[in-house]
Order: sequence, then structure tokens, then C-alpha cells
Amino acid sequence: DGGITQSPKYLFRKEGQNVTLSCEQNLNHDAMYWYRQDPGQGLRLIYYSQIVNDFQKGDIAEGYSVSREKKESFPLTVTSAQKNPTAFYLCASSTHRSASTEAFFGQGTRLTVV
Amino acid sequence: EDQVTQSPEALRLQEGESSSLNCSYTVSGLRGLFWYRQDPGKGPEFLFTLYSAGEEKEKERLKATLTKKESFLHITAPKPEDSATYLCAVRKAAGNKLTFGGGTRVLVKP
Repeated sequence: DGGITQSPKYLFRKEGQNVTLSCEQNLNHDAMYWYRQDPGQGLRLIYYSQIVNDFQKGDIAEGYSVSREKKESFPLTVTSAQKNPTAFYLCASSTHRSASTEAFFGQGTRLTVV
Repeated sequence: EDQVTQSPEALRLQEGESSSLNCSYTVSGLRGLFWYRQDPGKGPEFLFTLYSAGEEKEKERLKATLTKKESFLHITAPKPEDSATYLCAVRKAAGNKLTFGGGTRVLVKP
């Protein structure tokens, strides 16, 4: 089945550690996105990538890093510089080669600092 | 700067009580406005795309409309299974940044 896979579903991080969240898509989409969602809030954009080897900062990029070495993969690293990383993280992808430009989402990774 | 504002933040409805959710936006060159449904602990599920003022889309009890400044999601005769958070997002013509509003949490009581 085509879709977006995020892993792990739950992740626990000790203070001072870097952790990497995985996002893989087999939809042949060019663009990929990372969002953060806090309880009762909407989605805030962390980073997005329109093509391989290129990405742009979103609205809350500080303390996060990404790479886009393959079209299918867009991992997000939450660094120790991110002071409040506990949140629900969502990855999405979209195509720009057709009239339909909607983004499709994975099921999310819940990150908790312990 | 692109802005998307959703209202109300929360909505409590009785089963069968129709209502509307609002999404106001300011964006230079709208490429598309999107509505999503999100259940607790899950990723958003795509509902509709609207591209130009005057456009309407329907799916079961949901109907989305678009003007030059806002979009409405109308819920007709809602059922408890329509309880969810509804998210609105816009994509501008330049670049592919997708900006979301804060969402409206809808609770439909039987």
C-alpha cells in the first residue's frame, strides 16, 4: 500500500540527547514536511523540502535539523538545543505534478522527554 | 506573512444540530485551501481541496465553501462519529509552504 510511515510511534528522550525521527514515503512525492503539534494546538511547520538535497526552515526550526538524501526519506533530528521537545511530530508529503496538491500525513511520533 | 485563523476553537453540538466552522486566511497568491479531520493521537486525514472563490465540495455530512478571504466547513445533521478536530491549511502559489490554522475541536453529543 502507498503511504507515509513514521517511526517509532513513541519515543522517549533523556535531557541532553539528540534523537532522530524517521519518515518514509512510497508515494513518489517531491515535497515533504515536518510539523510539530502541542496539546490542543494546530500544526506548526518545522522544516520542509521540495526536492532531494534541498530544504527550507519553517516557522520553528530552532533546535531541529533535517536531511533529504533520498526522495523517499526525510528524517528529523531533535537536538539537545531544543528546550521543549515534548510534542507530537507529524510528517507529510505532497506532489506538485498534478492539479491535486494536498498533503498526506503519517500517523505521527509522540516524543517525551524523561 | 501568511496567516490562517480558525474559529471557534471548540464547538459542542447535539446530534443533528447543524453548524459551521470558519477559516480566515491572508496569503499572497492562494494555490489551494485544504480541510483535514484529525482524531486524537492520529495524523490528519485529508477531506477537501478548494482552489478558487465560489468553489464548493461535499462529502457525506460535510460541505466546504471558499471566498477570497475565508472558507467555511458546514456540518449538516452531525453524528457522534463526526467528533474530531478539523484543521484548515493554505498553500501559496510561490513555493510549497503549507500553513495550518489552530483547528476547531468538535464534539457531537448523542
